[in-house]
Amino acid sequence: NAGVTQTPKFRVLKTGQSMTLLCAQDMNHEYMYWYRQDPGMGLRLIHYSVGEGTTAKGEVPDGYNVSRLKKQNFLLGLESAAPSQTSVYFCASSSWTVTDTQYFGPGTRLTVL
Amino acid sequence: AQKITQTQPGMFVQEKEAVTLDCTYDTSDQSYGLFWYKQPSSGEMIFLIYQGSYDEQNATEGRYSLNFQKARKSANLVISASQLGDSAMYFCAMRENWGAQKLVFGQGTRLTINP
Repeated sequence: NAGVTQTPKFRVLKTGQSMTLLCAQDMNHEYMYWYRQDPGMGLRLIHYSVGEGTTAKGEVPDGYNVSRLKKQNFLLGLESAAPSQTSVYFCASSSWTVTDTQYFGPGTRLTVL
Repeated sequence: AQKITQTQPGMFVQEKEAVTLDCTYDTSDQSYGLFWYKQPSSGEMIFLIYQGSYDEQNATEGRYSLNFQKARKSANLVISASQLGDSAMYFCAMRENWGAQKLVFGQGTRLTINP
């Protein structure tokens, strides 16, 4: 049982390049989330999904797109990376049970030059 | 909209002392959950403790307890007998108990335990 995994762990991009971050969970969770964490700050929600084939915008969605073609995977895309997107990205998943925590992946550290 | 406020950017505590990390929240929902997470320097998010808005007793998990004062909208984390390994960032978060059950995080408190 790996929990929530993220690929890659580190990435350096040049301004204007594109990339996709992959999140996978093996807990059969319905809900999945993408957050970003900037230095000295808490996590902010980018996009989320309440089930396979559904996605919705969070607090800071601009410049990102997501897809959830399979229940266990949630992809975050940057079409044209900007230095302002330099951050640590966390994926999380959770069940329907409101008393249960969200389970977080280890994070991806992205630097955009 | 939900909001979490953590007013202590940093705290310094002597080993073995108890420490209280402050958290206040704002919401118009009647049903919600409050969570505390620990983020060590390695970066992962570690779940510590949960309190439901309808729970009458304060939550406890080992050395962690949550001092829940609903009328004051506060959910302070208490760590008893602090250890060097408790040095980390601590985040308070609130979760809506409807829809996508999204979490809203505070800005965090950096706790440093001195030997």
